[in-house]
Amino acid sequence: DAKTTQPPSMDCAEGRAANLPCNHSTISGNEYVYWYRQIHSQGPQYIIHGLKNNETNEMASLIITEDRKSSTLILPHATLRDTAVYYCIVPRWDKIIFGKGTRLHILP
Amino acid sequence: SQTIHQWPATLVQPVGSPLSLECTVEGTSNPNLYWYRQAAGRGLQLLFYSVGIGQISSEVPQNLSASRPQDRQFILSSKKLLLSDSGFYLCAWLEGSYNSPLHFGNGTRLTVT
Repeated sequence: DAKTTQPPSMDCAEGRAANLPCNHSTISGNEYVYWYRQIHSQGPQYIIHGLKNNETNEMASLIITEDRKSSTLILPHATLRDTAVYYCIVPRWDKIIFGKGTRLHILP
Repeated sequence: SQTIHQWPATLVQPVGSPLSLECTVEGTSNPNLYWYRQAAGRGLQLLFYSVGIGQISSEVPQNLSASRPQDRQFILSSKKLLLSDSGFYLCAWLEGSYNSPLHFGNGTRLTVT
């Protein structure tokens, strides 16, 4: 996988937008950026992915910089249920490696 | 729709005993299949992955092995469990095409005593 760098932890107030950054400076032209999250004691859950354009679904938005070397996952209105570890991944072929991710704390 | 089944949900096994965890996927064909392990308080470690029947790539062999006897079945095994094998074991699949996300099962929490 292309190496990704994420902050180990972040705080966000409930009801505010949570913006989670990820650096992937070694990404190749045809590699996608994927985001997953893992709520305590559960398996990871797919959130969103993108190549070069910004993407939005019912869970989140993904903003990818023009040079594709970084991206931001946006949870528009964070709730306590969004407390989780968020993983940014750039898979290379079939081997998919998870890093340490960002532990997001939603503050009431 | 596609679903993934992983069992059992919890397991307590003595050191030195064998292990067999099974994962099956429904509603898709020729998926890529993955086994991950998460030790307490740690990250997800890729153990094995498979892109087809009988094709297994090993990342952390140690005393574990994996097999894929059928297209949608992935089995994780050990002949003799170690204390360090305790953890949360997760099976995952994705459609065998580029640009496809991983989907995880509910996991098996294994405690080796």
